[in-house]
Formats: sequence, C-alpha cells, structure tokens
Amino acid sequence: NAGVTQTPKFQVLKTGQSMTLQCAQDMNHEYMSWYRQDPGMGLRLIHYSVGAGITDQGEVPNGYNVSRSTTEDFPLRLLSAAPSQTSVYFCASSYMTPRGRSYEQYFGPGTRLTVT
Amino acid sequence: TQLLEQSPQFLSIQEGENLTVYCNSSSVFSSLQWYRQEPGEGPVLLVTVVTGGEVKKLKRLTFQFGDARKDSSLHITAAQPGDTGLYLCAGAEAAGNKLTFGGGTRVLVKP
Repeated sequence: NAGVTQTPKFQVLKTGQSMTLQCAQDMNHEYMSWYRQDPGMGLRLIHYSVGAGITDQGEVPNGYNVSRSTTEDFPLRLLSAAPSQTSVYFCASSYMTPRGRSYEQYFGPGTRLTVT
Repeated sequence: TQLLEQSPQFLSIQEGENLTVYCNSSSVFSSLQWYRQEPGEGPVLLVTVVTGGEVKKLKRLTFQFGDARKDSSLHITAAQPGDTGLYLCAGAEAAGNKLTFGGGTRVLVKP
C-alpha cells in the first residue's frame, strides 16, 4: 500500500514552459486535492475533486488545470509556468471519517518546483 | 474565505519544557485538524476534533477545540527533540472536504 505518490520530486522550468505534476493514490479515496506551500503561508488549496469526473476550484486556481478521469489519479497541469508558481506542491487524498464531519487528509511527499 | 491564524510562528525551547501552540479564527468550523510536517515531507495528521470543548490526548500532546468551535490549541508536555517540526492546524467547512490551513508554527526542541 503506497498511499499517495507524487512525481517528480524536483523540477526546474523556464518561464512559459508547461508541465504536469502527477499524483496517484491506492487507498480508493473519493476526494483528492492539490495544495501549494509557500514560506509562512501554510498550505493553500489549488483544486480539488470529490470523485472521478468532478473537479472544482480552490483558493488559488489561476494558472493551473486539473482533471480526474479515474479514482486513483489526479494530475495538475501548469499551462505556462511563471516565477510566481515557484513553490512546493502537495497532493492529498481523503475520506469522510465515520464521525461524518471531517475529511482526514493523506499527503504525498511533495514536488519542489522552481520556475526561472 | 475562512482564515486561521496560528501563534506563535516560531518556538524554540529546551528539551523537557512545555509549549502551547494556538490556532484562532473568527469563523466556525465543523472540525479542526492538527498536522505535523518534517522537512522534505508532506504533513501527517495528528488528530481531528469535531465537538466544541473537546479535549484529545495523544501521549504527551493535548489538543483542545474551543467551545464555540472557532479556536484550538496544542499543548506539548515535556517536549523532546523528536517533537521538532512544523505544526499546522486546518479547519473544515461544514459538510465539506475543503480545508483551510493556518500559516504554521515551527517548533524547535533543543537537546
């Protein structure tokens, strides 16, 4: 049981380049999310999905696209990278706990992205 | 947008001392979670609290959810170097999967 996996671990892009950050989970969780983490700002939600075929925007969606064709995979696409997108990106999957009011997140190890 | 403020931002203490981290908001959350993150890794869930006034203990860690479900605290007794890390609180909207994270408190426990 690998949990949540992310690739690549590190990436350097030039301004204007595009790339896809991969995320996969093997826990059959319905919910998946993408966050970015910047110093002193905690984690900010980019996009999330409540199930295959359903995605929605989070707090900072501009410049990013997502799709969810299967329960397992939730890739994040940067269409035209900008220096402001330099950050650490975390993918997470979650499920509703038996208590019914919380979604406990399982995070991947992160992708450290630098845009020059 | 619901905001969560954590304080302090940074805490440096000696092994054996106690510490408290605070997480405050003007909004009500249906549940609140605490995570710990070590360098180069993703956050790992420590606890979830869902009931106003709830207190949960995890060995030397004590978590409390405010009566009004707007604030929470994390207290560590007799801190050890292994407690070093970034502590994050996160609040969940009612009946939703979306989490709002606080800015984090970086804790350093020196031997």
